[in-house]
Amino acid sequence: NAGVMQNPRHLVRRRGQEARLRCSPMKGHSHVYWYRQLPEEGLKFMVYLQKENIIDESGMPKERFSAEFPKEGPSILRIQQVVRGDSAAYFCASSLWDRGVSPLHFGNGTRLTVT
Amino acid sequence: DQQVKQNSPSLSVQEGRISILNCDYTNSMFDYFLWYKKYPAEGPTFLISISSIKDKNEDGRFTVFLNKSAKHLSLHIVPSQPGDSAVYFCAASGEDNDMRFGAGTRLTVKP
Repeated sequence: NAGVMQNPRHLVRRRGQEARLRCSPMKGHSHVYWYRQLPEEGLKFMVYLQKENIIDESGMPKERFSAEFPKEGPSILRIQQVVRGDSAAYFCASSLWDRGVSPLHFGNGTRLTVT
Repeated sequence: DQQVKQNSPSLSVQEGRISILNCDYTNSMFDYFLWYKKYPAEGPTFLISISSIKDKNEDGRFTVFLNKSAKHLSLHIVPSQPGDSAVYFCAASGEDNDMRFGAGTRLTVKP
């Protein structure tokens, strides 16, 4: 009964490097969501994926950010050429059904620090 | 655009008393509301939800009230316990199924 697993828990990157954040949803869940939490702020929606499909990426910055959820393996949030403003906690969540009808189950997050 | 607002960043309550956390929303199309609890260095944990067809949902010490006309949601915790100390997020979703979160309220329950 493993919950949503995110790794790494902490990630330090220098400006200009790439950051890769991984998320394995709860068993049986096919809906995956990525949220970002900046210091002293709430959770901001980034992207919603189902297997091999991006359903809603309205919260994702247009440049440098991308997400995928392949048929096999975890969901990946990729940030290219990181900048200091990307420093935040990134949370992945999964749900059994669509987010409008079932609660999201969150992982413990990846804290990204850009130096 | 902040469609879900938690105007109190913090709340302090004595153990055994009632904690009331408030949330306001602006989008009248929201029809599913949730409360999440978050401890430091952990992800948010689902606590309780309510759909717009109801005005109250209770689960043990936790009760959520929904006032659709006022676009207001509240979470009551009674009696409050020190272990309830955490950040509480209100969330809402509607026909576009986009789940939006408030900024959170930090609850401290003092022994």
